[in-house]
Amino acid sequence: KQEVTQIPAALSVPEGENLVLNCSFTDSAIYNLQWFRQDPGKGLTSLLLIQSSQREQTSGRLNASLDKSSGRSTLYIAASQPGDSATYLCAVIGYSTLTFGKGTMLLVSP
Amino acid sequence: SAVISQKPSRDICQRGTSLTIQCQVDSQVTMMFWYRQQPGQSLTLIATANQGSEATYESGFVIDKFPISRPNLTFSTLTVSNMSPEDSSIYLCSVRPLTDAYEQYFGPGTRLTVT
Repeated sequence: KQEVTQIPAALSVPEGENLVLNCSFTDSAIYNLQWFRQDPGKGLTSLLLIQSSQREQTSGRLNASLDKSSGRSTLYIAASQPGDSATYLCAVIGYSTLTFGKGTMLLVSP
Repeated sequence: SAVISQKPSRDICQRGTSLTIQCQVDSQVTMMFWYRQQPGQSLTLIATANQGSEATYESGFVIDKFPISRPNLTFSTLTVSNMSPEDSSIYLCSVRPLTDAYEQYFGPGTRLTVT
């Protein structure tokens, strides 16, 4: 059974810092890995999808990497802003399954 | 991509009653899923909604408590039956479009409070 772990569980940084969120998974037989953002009481917004054949994906200030062999992914956020404050969820995609980590709660203070 | 809408966005219900949540997608999708997110927790898959057949439920979830319909490739409903306060959660509909076989999208969620 796939297990996904996210570290740290919570992170508080001042505005402007670069930061890295970590995700690890136990079964490397995955299709894709997807990073989501969730604001309090809201649904999920897809940030980046990395296909299993890819090593990284970039969107604006976000960069996600994937190392299938070691079962790791990282989400890099450059020049963080207060609007980045949210919970970030990593999800590993199998054929018909999507396994979530518990998320990293990020707070960026002005 | 896919745009998903859910109704209602939130509701407050009394113990013992039932609530049906609707999920509408703007394009045909192969897979539709229903998730639950209890307060302070991550998402848990309730079931996969199959078009034209019964839903496939995950361990710990049963059809009598969470009946699901999926009459076509763009619509599904989830009913939360005989509710108790423990059912207070956000319920999210999720899809995988036909063109993006392995990217998954989520609706805005339905916030349910049971008193």
